[in-house]
Amino acid sequence: EIVMTQSPATLSVSPGERATLSCRASQSVSGNLAWYQQKPGQGPRLLIYGASTRAAGIPARFSGSGSGTEFTLTISSLQSEDFAVYYCQQYNDWPPGTFGGGTKVEI
Amino acid sequence: QLQLQESGSGLVTPSQTLSLTCGVSGASISSGPYSWTWIRQPPGKGLEWIGNIYHDGSTYYNSSLKGRVTISVDTPKNRFSLKLSSVTAADTAVYYCARIMVRGWFDPWGQGTLVTVSS
Repeated sequence: EIVMTQSPATLSVSPGERATLSCRASQSVSGNLAWYQQKPGQGPRLLIYGASTRAAGIPARFSGSGSGTEFTLTISSLQSEDFAVYYCQQYNDWPPGTFGGGTKVEI
Repeated sequence: QLQLQESGSGLVTPSQTLSLTCGVSGASISSGPYSWTWIRQPPGKGLEWIGNIYHDGSTYYNSSLKGRVTISVDTPKNRFSLKLSSVTAADTAVYYCARIMVRGWFDPWGQGTLVTVSS
């Protein structure tokens, strides 16, 4: 089973600043990686798929990069609504839903 | 717009069977090529994939759940269901349903439902 590791566990950022979140896979997942945002009391929302393609309706301040085993989610200028927990997920290998442990972005 | 909504018992007695349903609106559950999935999140922890079902009824389950899982689809009612048998306190979690896109990412998700296993 592919293990996904996210860092840091918590990221403290001020509004307007840039946030960089990392996700590492225990073996190559090619470009088969998605990012999700989860706010309290809500289900996760898809942000990025294919490592770098924004989902419909996702603001341009969210960008994804990477391939193989190293991936990054960047939020260029944090807005108040962006404070949440972010998860990465690989879908290159079964099980199809191997998630990272999450990064909490806090003020 | 596709929407998913979980429903079912919020309290289950240990050793009994957990049963949840995911209602789908905005699209037909029987139209391929998507699949439909259950994921859970224990309190304060990360996400765990439980299993998924394709429009043809084929299923795949997380082996860590050791044969306790059954996912089924009710096409006339446009919904799919989860049954998890022999539950313990470790099965206490928020349970989400979602659609799996062809390549494998999950979109959209339901809002989730908390299931507590307790006597």
